[in-house]
Order: sequence, then structure tokens, then C-alpha cells
Amino acid sequence: AQKITQTQPGMFVQEKEAVTLDCTYDTSDQSYGLFWYKQPSSGEMIFLIYQGSYDEQNATEGRYSLNFQKARKSANLVISASQLGDSAMYFCAPRGQGNLIFGKGTKLSVKP
Amino acid sequence: GAVVSQHPSRVICKSGTSVKIECRSLDFQATTMFWYRQFPKKSLMLMATSNEGSKATYEQGVEKDKFLINHASLTLSTLTVTSAHPEDSSFYICSARDKTPYNTEAFFGQGTRLTVV
Repeated sequence: AQKITQTQPGMFVQEKEAVTLDCTYDTSDQSYGLFWYKQPSSGEMIFLIYQGSYDEQNATEGRYSLNFQKARKSANLVISASQLGDSAMYFCAPRGQGNLIFGKGTKLSVKP
Repeated sequence: GAVVSQHPSRVICKSGTSVKIECRSLDFQATTMFWYRQFPKKSLMLMATSNEGSKATYEQGVEKDKFLINHASLTLSTLTVTSAHPEDSSFYICSARDKTPYNTEAFFGQGTRLTVV
């Protein structure tokens, strides 16, 4: 079974600054992927970034990057140059052989 | 990216009636679709996994007779909330993927906000 921990229920960041959202997971799968999704107040889930467990380099996608530490089983999301539109819930979701299992999420609020 | 369309986006129904929610993959064949439920300010909870042409697999604690899932084609899965009650009011969201490797992202529908009055 997989277990996901997002320890920050809420985070605040000043516009244009960087912020790190934490995610640790526990999985017995040897190969797995790590997904981050953004959920704005409208409810839809927006895919942000993916990291494979065997990828040697940390994934980057525009202003999003992953600080992936496999030995520690952590995959923190870094958002650089925060924008007001980044205010949303963020979910970490690892996936091995089974389905996506979501963490409790972190609510990010970007202050102007 | 691939598109998953979920309909309706909002529905209000009377207690005791049934509501059907559709989830369609518009530009790919979804061999597997997932249905999630989300309570306010909570995470997404997987309700069931449906594979085309076979019975859905329900997560523990989810009533099969209450939440009927049909995945009759590779592009359509439906969730029917039968004899809805106010406690069924929630946000329901589907996702779909077309391949089994772990590195395939799931594409989500827009979600359905159900209110039972």
C-alpha cells in the first residue's frame, strides 16, 4: 500500500518569490512515478509535473521543478516566481502498479 | 494534452432521485477510468476503478449498489448515484488513462458538483 504525506495544509508566499511544497511517500513498488496536480477553486485537476523513480535528473517544467530525493522518498515541488494565479490546492500523487493515490494537499495562497 | 469531458458540471437533485454523471475521453481510448469523490477542503478519495467491458472495482467502504459505474465503451464511463441523499452531496471527478505503464499521467474531467436537497 502507498502512503503519502503532505505536511503543510496551508502555505503563504509573496508574489514573485519561490515556494516549496513538501511531499513524502511510502511505496513498495520498485518502479513508480510521482505526479503533482494543481486544483484551483473551480475544481478541475491540472497536471503540473512528473518524475520517474529511475530518472536521474530532477524534473522541470517551466516554473515548476521537483526536488526528488529517492532515498528519502520525498518529491517536493518548487514553484519559482510565484504568481497570483498559482493560488490553489496542490496534490502530490505517486503511482506504481496501481492507481493514483492523492495526499491531503497543500493550499497555497499567493499574496500580492 | 488529452481531453476528458465530464458532464454535468453542476447538478441539484431532490432526495430519493438518481443522478447520472458522464465521463468521456474525447481524443483517446480510455481502457481504465477512475472515479473520485472530494469533500470540501479534503483530498480526492478513490471510489472505484472501471475497466472497459468489465465490472468496476470498488474501494473499501464504497457502496456498489449506491454508486453504479458503467464503462460500456472505450470512451465513456458513467457514475449513477442512486436514491441520492443529502450526505451524497459532494464533488465527483473522473480521470482516465489509456496505458498501463506507471509513467502515464491520468487526465481528469472538470468535475461534477452534486447537491442533494
